[in-house]
Amino acid sequence: EIVLTQSPATLSLSPGERATLSCRASQSVSSFLAWYQQKPGQAPRLLIYDASDRATGIPARFSGSGSGTDFTLTISSLEPEDFAVYYCQQRSNWPPYTFGQGTKLEIK
Amino acid sequence: QVQLVQSGAEVKKPGGSVKVSCKTSGYTFISYGITWVRQAPGQGLEWMGWISAYNGNTNYAQKLQGRVTMTTDTSTSTAHMELRSLRSDDTAVYYCARDPIATPGVFDYWGQGTLVTVSS
Repeated sequence: EIVLTQSPATLSLSPGERATLSCRASQSVSSFLAWYQQKPGQAPRLLIYDASDRATGIPARFSGSGSGTDFTLTISSLEPEDFAVYYCQQRSNWPPYTFGQGTKLEIK
Repeated sequence: QVQLVQSGAEVKKPGGSVKVSCKTSGYTFISYGITWVRQAPGQGLEWMGWISAYNGNTNYAQKLQGRVTMTTDTSTSTAHMELRSLRSDDTAVYYCARDPIATPGVFDYWGQGTLVTVSS
């Protein structure tokens, strides 16, 4: 089973700042990595798939990069609605598909 | 528009079973799979398994093998997930998500979630 480790656990930033979230895989997942955003009481929302492809309707301020074992989600300029929990997920090797433990992006 | 609408919250006793439904609309049901993911209170996301809406093939997480059954009803475009021999650590919000055949394992649309509480 591939283990995904996200860092940091919590990131405190202000609106307008740049956010950089990391996800590291225990073995290569090629480019088969996705990012999801989850707000309290809501279902996860797909942001990025295959490391760098934005899902339908996702603003351009969200971007993903990386391959192999190291991946990054970047939010170029934080909007108030971006404060949430972010999860990475791999689809390279299944079953099972696995998720990271999440990074909470909070307002500073 | 694509929608996945799940059944309502459930309270069950340990040892019992629960069946959660996920009614879909806005797309061709048999052209996609359905994945089920659960989230214990305050915890992260856990993949439970997948079912092909085309032919009913399934793949379950090893830890749930023998306790979970996923099915689909193509006449109503609905997926179901049944979990048996419930324990307190099965208390969670259960989500269904659409799983495209073209990009398997990319969960592009999600249901709103169903809270299942297991308590005596």
